[in-house]
Parts: sequence; structure tokens; C-alpha cells
Amino acid sequence: DGGITQSPKYLFRKEGQNVTLSCEQNLNHDAMYWYRQDPGQGLRLIYYSQIVNDFQKGDIAEGYSVSREKKESFPLTVTSAQKNPTAFYLCASSTQGTYGYTFGSGTRLTVV
Amino acid sequence: GESVGLHLPTLSVQEGDNSIINCAYSNSASDYFIWYKQESGKGPQFIIDIRSNMDKRQGQRVTVLLNKTVKHLSLQIAATQPGDSAVYFCAETGDSSYKLIFGSGTRLLVRP
Repeated sequence: DGGITQSPKYLFRKEGQNVTLSCEQNLNHDAMYWYRQDPGQGLRLIYYSQIVNDFQKGDIAEGYSVSREKKESFPLTVTSAQKNPTAFYLCASSTQGTYGYTFGSGTRLTVV
Repeated sequence: GESVGLHLPTLSVQEGDNSIINCAYSNSASDYFIWYKQESGKGPQFIIDIRSNMDKRQGQRVTVLLNKTVKHLSLQIAATQPGDSAVYFCAETGDSSYKLIFGSGTRLLVRP
């Protein structure tokens, strides 16, 4: 079955460490997105990529980095520069030119 | 900047009753709107969408109404069931890059 997979489901990070969240899709979607969700709040866009080897900053890109070397993969690195990284991170994908997002099941990152 | 917002953070309804979840949007240029359902610890799931050239669209037990005059969107769920308990988000297109802007969400609680 086609879908979008995020791993790990839970992630713990010590202060000052970088961590990378994985997002893989086999839907042959062109565009991929990373959102951050804080408790009781909506989704805020971190980065998005509409094509391989290209990506753009979203509304809250500071302290995050991404890469898009393959169509299927869009990993997100939470750097030590991100002061409040504890959140639920959601990856999504869509076919170019459409708004039909498919979301992954999310990664819950906690700083310890 | 432009944003999507919701009137009620929490809605409690009796099982079997109809539910109405409201959303206000501020970008009059938005031309596509989506409702998502998010269960605890999971990614959002698509419920129904509507384009700005429509006022109403119906799905299975759900109806979305769009009032462009007052920039208001609503989701109606008929015969609400316990499985409908979740957080519901509206989302709109922010620009031609196909990014979605999400509201802060409404939690729907279904009383048995």
C-alpha cells in the first residue's frame, strides 16, 4: 500500500544535540512538507519542497534544516539552534499542482 | 499575516446529534478550503474540501458550507458518533505554491 512513513514515533533529545526526523513516501508525490504542532494548536509550516534538490523555508524555519536528495525522502534536522524543539512533527506530501495532502503519523520530539 | 481561525476551541455534543464546527478565514484571495480530522497521536486525515466557486459540498455524513461574503467556513457532521471525537482543522490555500494554512483546531467531544 502506498503511504507516508515517519520515524521514529517518539524521539528524545538532549539539549545541544541535533536530531534528524525521517519522512519517506512511496506515493510518487512531488511535493513534501514539514509541519510543527504544539499542544492545542494548529500546524505551522517549517519547510517544504516541490521538487528534488529544491526546498523553501516556511513560517518557522529557524533552527531547522532539510534536504531533498531523493523524491521519496525529505528528512528534517532539528538543530541545537532551535530553542523550543519539543513538539509533534508532521510530514506531508502531495502531487504537484494539487492540495490533497497525505500526512504521516508524526514524530513526537521531547528535549530532556 | 493572513491566518485561519476557529470560533470554538471545544465542542461537546450528544451522540446522535448533529455537530457544527466553524472556521473564519481572513485571506479573501483563498480559493480552496479543506477540513481535516486529527485523532490523538495521529496525523490529520482529509475529510472534505470545497473550492471558492461553490457554497456547499456534501460527503458521507459531512457537509461543508462556504460563505465568501463573511469569510466563513463550517463543517456539519450528521448523527455524530463516538468515533467522530477528534480535533478538526480547517485549512486554506495561502498562495500559488500549494501550501496550506491551518487553523488552530476545534476539539469535538461526543457524549454517549
